[in-house]
Amino acid sequence: DTAVSQTPKYLVTQMGNDKSIKCEQNLGHDTMYWYKQDSKKFLKIMFSYNNKELIINETVPNRFSPKSPDKAHLNLHINSLELGDSAVYFCASSQGDRYEQYFGPGTRLTVT
Amino acid sequence: DQQVKQNSPSLSVQEGRISILNCDYTNSMFDYFLWYKKYPAEGPTFLISISSIKDKNEDGRFTVFLNKSAKHLSLHIVPSQPGDSAVYFCAASDYNDYKLSFGAGTTVTVRA
Repeated sequence: DTAVSQTPKYLVTQMGNDKSIKCEQNLGHDTMYWYKQDSKKFLKIMFSYNNKELIINETVPNRFSPKSPDKAHLNLHINSLELGDSAVYFCASSQGDRYEQYFGPGTRLTVT
Repeated sequence: DQQVKQNSPSLSVQEGRISILNCDYTNSMFDYFLWYKKYPAEGPTFLISISSIKDKNEDGRFTVFLNKSAKHLSLHIVPSQPGDSAVYFCAASDYNDYKLSFGAGTTVTVRA
């Protein structure tokens, strides 16, 4: 009955590889987000989709590409991984412009 | 250019006493503020929020106070319980934006 789920929970990969993180929510929300929590523990918004339409696209390298096949899913694809991409990535969802966002458990990405 | 600042990285409090967490912001456009709680290896969970038209919001043991002129808000937890030991994030948003700006978090430890 997990509200927002992410897979995988842990991801270890080498520099230069391409990887994807999947996110699904079963809350019926129409807005989904990707956040990055860096080594300093700051949570920073990367992207947001509302009804499959990109509405927030922060200053993120274009190696990062979100994909929303439907309202319940928002996947994150990362090309040519770099050491600095190591972080915890959180998916979240909300209903419309409600600020209360529900977060997934996070995916810890380690690039070696 | 962190717009939301939590200057106390940690707080230790005895069980049954009050925990006071502080948060400052710099963006005068922020009009909605939230507190999230995070346990290790889990995503943040929404705790309580306040709109800029209010100066106080209460939910059980949790009360959030907002001082707009000082651009300051605080979270009071009374009485503190061992299960409250977690990282607490302050977040803010403006009306026109789905985006949340987070502080760096304050780690609360409740001692028995």
